[in-house]
Amino acid sequence: KAGVTQTPRYLIKTRGQQVTLSCSPISGHRSVSWYQQTPGQGLQFLFEYFSETQRNKGNFPGRFSGRQFSNSRSEMNVSTLELGDSALYLCASSWGSSDGEQYFGPGTRLTVT
Amino acid sequence: KNEVEQSPQNLTAQEGEFITINCSYSVGISALHWLQQHPGGGIVSLFMLSSGKKKHGRLIATINIQEKHSSLHITASHPRDSAVYICAVTGNQFYFGTGTSLTVIP
Repeated sequence: KAGVTQTPRYLIKTRGQQVTLSCSPISGHRSVSWYQQTPGQGLQFLFEYFSETQRNKGNFPGRFSGRQFSNSRSEMNVSTLELGDSALYLCASSWGSSDGEQYFGPGTRLTVT
Repeated sequence: KNEVEQSPQNLTAQEGEFITINCSYSVGISALHWLQQHPGGGIVSLFMLSSGKKKHGRLIATINIQEKHSSLHITASHPRDSAVYICAVTGNQFYFGTGTSLTVIP
């Protein structure tokens, strides 16, 4: 079974631009969660989607948004990028809910200049 | 305010030593996860616990729900165990500890 895939793996953007990251979960998994990892703040929860509905949301500004499609693939969007958005963005999938075992993707490294 | 506290932050051990990493949390949870992250690598889920104890090979995880505390033990540590170990809990959202950086010296 293929693992969780994320595209692109690396991205460089300029302050003020917007970016869309993609996550394809393991086949059969219906929950996709997104996380931000920075050296200063560590891992932080962004949001979780289950069956195309946002089920939980972390404490991030509205510039961070996401969606999930009927095939469980998910995208997250960050608008009006700030330097502080530079981070590793990870997604993880699980079969039923975020209570279940999480399978992490390799992450997208976003650099904002 | 950190919902999840881990200790120690850094740990260096000789190969073969018994290692314990501790995690305390302050929120109500439905599950606790232990994650492993190698330098430059992705994150792997080691354990998911809601009660009691689990064992995979040389790794053992325990949780005490009443005391809101979990421990991760590594028996007969090996240099390939060198990684960052992260405790995470799921309540109404995911909360993460800051991680424990483990280095095992041959």
